[in-house]
Amino acid sequence: NAGVTQTPKFRVLKTGQSMTLLCAQDMNHEYMYWYRQDPGMGLRLIHYSVGEGTTAKGEVPDGYNVSRLKKQNFLLGLESAAPSQTSVYFCASSYIRDRVYEQYFGPGTRLTVT
Amino acid sequence: DAKTTQPNSMESNEEEPVHLPCNHSTISGTDYIHWYRQLPSQGPEYVIHGLTSNVNNRMASLAIAEDRKSSTLILHRATLRDAAVYYCILRDVSDSWGKFQFGAGTQVVVTP
Repeated sequence: NAGVTQTPKFRVLKTGQSMTLLCAQDMNHEYMYWYRQDPGMGLRLIHYSVGEGTTAKGEVPDGYNVSRLKKQNFLLGLESAAPSQTSVYFCASSYIRDRVYEQYFGPGTRLTVT
Repeated sequence: DAKTTQPNSMESNEEEPVHLPCNHSTISGTDYIHWYRQLPSQGPEYVIHGLTSNVNNRMASLAIAEDRKSSTLILHRATLRDAAVYYCILRDVSDSWGKFQFGAGTQVVVTP
């Protein structure tokens, strides 16, 4: 199993450009999440999905859109990038067992917006 | 969601135990206590979780206070690979979305 993979690993954007981050998982998990992590801080939830075709807003959703057209993929889009979106983006997926969720994280995408 | 308080950093010598405290005085009866850690330049990984009783696994032990207002993650013999940021997270079992709220965590430094 590859687990959770993220594409790309690094990206530099100019202000106003758009891009899509791809997250893929091969564990058949229902739940998927996008987080961002700014230097010296913990992770903050951007959007999440509880199943194919469903998405919901997290703590910091502004400026981002997501789609979950296939169970194994969760896409994060930036329509018009801003320097404030410079961050490391982590995707995660999880399953539930005995009412406990265990999240599996990808390696992250480092995004710089100039 | 109930909040957690952790020290910013802790230091330990290699092969010595590390006790990482977490205060969660507003914990509710349905909150599970989770610990994750984040190695440098990696995504977080699961360490351990518990509800009321102490828990052990191959990575660590979790000691939960009787009133559940605090807990301690115990790394029995720290290695250099255990240098990471450790997050203590509460999650309400009634929350059906599986969302976690990460704080700043505790940076563990292991000295050879």
